Amino acid sequence: DVVMTQSPLSLPVTPGEPASISCRSSQSLLNSNGNNYVDWYLQKPGQSPQLLIYLGSNRASGVPDRFSGSGSGSEFTLKISRVEAEDVGVYYCMQGLHTPRTFGQGTKVEIK
Amino acid sequence: QLQLQESGPGLVKPSQTLSLTCTLSGASIASGNDYWSWIRQPAGKGLEWIGRMYTSGSTNYNPSLKSRLTMSVDTSQNHFSLKLSAVTAADTAVYYCARGTRESSGYDFIDFWGQGALVTVSS
Repeated sequence: DVVMTQSPLSLPVTPGEPASISCRSSQSLLNSNGNNYVDWYLQKPGQSPQLLIYLGSNRASGVPDRFSGSGSGSEFTLKISRVEAEDVGVYYCMQGLHTPRTFGQGTKVEIK
Repeated sequence: QLQLQESGPGLVKPSQTLSLTCTLSGASIASGNDYWSWIRQPAGKGLEWIGRMYTSGSTNYNPSLKSRLTMSVDTSQNHFSLKLSAVTAADTAVYYCARGTRESSGYDFIDFWGQGALVTVSS
């Protein structure tokens, strides 16, 4: 199985400041069509996960533009340009190239 | 507006079969580009992909669960189901059903999750 490794696992943030989460995969997620098959989800406290980013850098419908995804191959990053209080929760990356799909361990974002 | 609702017994005895159903409202389970997934999350832990199926009957299962797993779809009832046999305490988790969809490049991804159902395996 493809192993997805996130860092950091805990991220205290200050509202209005930027934040960044890294995700590394044990195999390349770059498909032959040039797309990177990685998605990002946010699980807010007490809720189910919600899609933020798909195909590495495409924001899902309704996702604020302060969220952005980047990276290629086996290294990916989720950035929040200016953290808001509603952004707290656990962020997961997931690879969509290989079966079974696999998730990172999660990064818990909390307000300082 | 799409809603996915998991239902089934919240307590299952060891060695028995865990059965869950996910009912859709606000959309048809037979929508052409969609597929239907199950993901689980043990308490305080991360997410584990269980598998997915299309309304055609095609399935992809996590190899770690494949020997115990059956997924099915009932288009007449607009729901899909999960059966996991020979359960142990390690199968205790919140089970999420989810919709996957395919975008223009052919990439498919999970874009909508149900609220989740806690299933405890205990005697």
